[in-house]
Amino acid sequence: DAGITQSPRHKVTETGTPVTLRCHQTENHRYMYWYRQDPGHGLRLIHYSYGVKDTDKGEVSDGYSVSRSKTEDFLLTLESATSSQTSVYFCAIQPDRGEQYFGPGTRLTVT
Amino acid sequence: SQQGEEDPQALSIQEGENATMNCSYKTSINNLQWYRQNSGRGLVHLILIRSNEREKHSGRLRVTLDTSKKSSSLLITASRAADTASYFCATASNDYKLSFGAGTTVTVRA
Repeated sequence: DAGITQSPRHKVTETGTPVTLRCHQTENHRYMYWYRQDPGHGLRLIHYSYGVKDTDKGEVSDGYSVSRSKTEDFLLTLESATSSQTSVYFCAIQPDRGEQYFGPGTRLTVT
Repeated sequence: SQQGEEDPQALSIQEGENATMNCSYKTSINNLQWYRQNSGRGLVHLILIRSNEREKHSGRLRVTLDTSKKSSSLLITASRAADTASYFCATASNDYKLSFGAGTTVTVRA
């Protein structure tokens, strides 16, 4: 799986609580991405990073923040989780100009 | 907003038959990619076709790209039960951001 891990793999949390998801790569690639996947929508880009401390918004960034203090880790934070953020979250890396490699996903349920 | 849209949304075929799915997009692209997702797993890259290419093959996969019609197709020949999955097209307007469609769910019956 291209050396990408996500943690936790499953999480149930209550509305209004903060949640942080972690993506870790062993490959030392510059580009990392966070997507969410919902039925009928495919994958939608939340945020991405093009280097340490360099991040930018995707199409569904409202309610999410990210941080990248080390090349290998890209964190996604939901400051105050809402039920609309119940989803499956995927991290991806891109080694070069071309394909992306995906982690196994984190299933998040906000009750 | 999503760039690519796959058609059909779902496809059921007999083992050994060919499966064809299509992707249409709206704006100009740098490349177009196809991914497979097995149930409960992450996406796996299948094939990338650049805007100056018209056809590409990889094993039992054949991808075509028609930039004048803003469309692509993915053909899986001689399908197997292991091909049961969801298939997504993704368009890249530059080299580092992808926009995914909603996917085609393929079921291969034994």
